[in-house]
Amino acid sequence: KAGVTQTPRYLIKTRGQQVTLSCSPISGHRSVSWYQQTPGQGLQFLFEYFSETQRNKGNFPGRFSGRQFSNSRSEMNVSTLELGDSALYLCASSLRLGGQETQYFGPGTRLLVL
Amino acid sequence: AQSVTQLGSHVSVSEGALVLLRCNYSSSVPPYLFWYVQYPNQGLQLLLKYTTGATLVKGINGFEAEFKKSETSFHLTKPSAHMSDAAEYFCAVGGDNDMRFGAGTRLTVKP
Repeated sequence: KAGVTQTPRYLIKTRGQQVTLSCSPISGHRSVSWYQQTPGQGLQFLFEYFSETQRNKGNFPGRFSGRQFSNSRSEMNVSTLELGDSALYLCASSLRLGGQETQYFGPGTRLLVL
Repeated sequence: AQSVTQLGSHVSVSEGALVLLRCNYSSSVPPYLFWYVQYPNQGLQLLLKYTTGATLVKGINGFEAEFKKSETSFHLTKPSAHMSDAAEYFCAVGGDNDMRFGAGTRLTVKP
């Protein structure tokens, strides 16, 4: 079974540009979550989607948005990039079965904003 | 509003010794509590999660954590450390449409 895949793996952008990151969850997983990891702020939760609906949202500005498609694939968009958006963006898919939840993370997309 | 404090950014134990990683949280709503592990050069993994019900939660790789509401704690333990447990561990609290992570605790296991 394929794991969570994220594309692209590395990305360099300049301030003011926008970027779209993609996440393909494990087959059968309907929940996708996004996280930002930086040396200064650590891990931060961005948002969670379930069956194409945003279920939870972290404390990020409106420049950060996401969506989920009917096949559970998810995209995250950041508009008007700032230097501080440089980070590792992690996507995770999860499945709840019999009261147990298992969450799997992708390798991340490393974004550098110049 | 929620927050998480992990006590000790670095913890070192000997192989075979008890592992105890401390996590305290604050939450204005009944919390969901998580422990994640990040092995060197690998991605994050969910170790265990508490939502409701039994306060002692068993996770993967022999780890468990106990939710103590009176102490607002969710400490992670493993009876006997293995070299392969060396990693960074993150505690997180969720609920109220948000999720907050602790700064992480780096666990070193000495032979």
